[in-house]
Amino acid sequence: AQSVTQLDSQVPVFEEAPVELRCNYSSSVSVYLFWYVQYPNQGLQLLLKYLSGSTLVKGINGFEAEFNKSQTSFHLRKPSVHISDTAEYFCASPRAGGTSYGKLTFGQGTILTVHP
Amino acid sequence: DVKVTQSSRYLVKRTGEKVFLECVQDMDHENMFWYRQDPGLGLRLIYFSYDVKMKEKGDIPEGYSVSREKKERFSLILESASTNQTSMYLCASSSKRGPNTGELFFGEGSRLTVL
Repeated sequence: AQSVTQLDSQVPVFEEAPVELRCNYSSSVSVYLFWYVQYPNQGLQLLLKYLSGSTLVKGINGFEAEFNKSQTSFHLRKPSVHISDTAEYFCASPRAGGTSYGKLTFGQGTILTVHP
Repeated sequence: DVKVTQSSRYLVKRTGEKVFLECVQDMDHENMFWYRQDPGLGLRLIYFSYDVKMKEKGDIPEGYSVSREKKERFSLILESASTNQTSMYLCASSSKRGPNTGELFFGEGSRLTVL
C-alpha cells in the first residue's frame, strides 16, 4: 500500500535557525509529492509540489524541498525560520491512478514551533 | 481569489442528532473531498466525489454519507452523531485538468463536538 511517513511529530526551533522537516514515501506511490501547511485554526494550503523536472523545488515563504529518489525522501527545509512559520506541516502524495482524481495520502503531520 | 467555503466553523451537537456539513467551491472543480483530521493521525479521507451525483467511499466512510446535487456543492451527513465523530472536518476540491491537477484546495474546516 502507498504510504507517506513524516518522521517527526514535533519540531521545536529558535527563530532564525534552520529547519528540516522529514518525509519519506513508499516506492509504490506515484512520484508526485506535495507539502501543505496548516496555520492555527485554518485549512491547509499548498506550500510546494514536485511533479517532475528539477529535484529541488522552491515554494512559498522561503521553503524548499528536495526530491531524492534513491532515499525515497522529500524533506522540507528553510534556512532561517520566523515566528510566523509556527504551524503544522503535511507531506502528501497521490494514490494509485496518478493526479487526475486528486486523492492524496497524507503523512501524520509535523508541528513546527518557532520560539523567540 | 479562489475559494472553498465551509458553512460552519464550529458546531456542537448531541449524540444521535443528524448533522449536515456544507461545502461550496467557486473554482468549477470536478473533484470534491471530505477529510477528517485528528491529532497524530493526519488527514483521513471519508468520501470523494468526481462528478455531480457520483461518489466513492474513502478510508473511513462508516457513519457518514454525502450528497452532491450540484457541481459546486458537496455535503457531508452524519445520520446519527456519536461522540467518536468529534473532530475537525475539512472539505477540499481539485481539478482533473490543467497545471494544478492533483492540487487540493481546502476550506477552513468545521470543528464538530458531539456531546
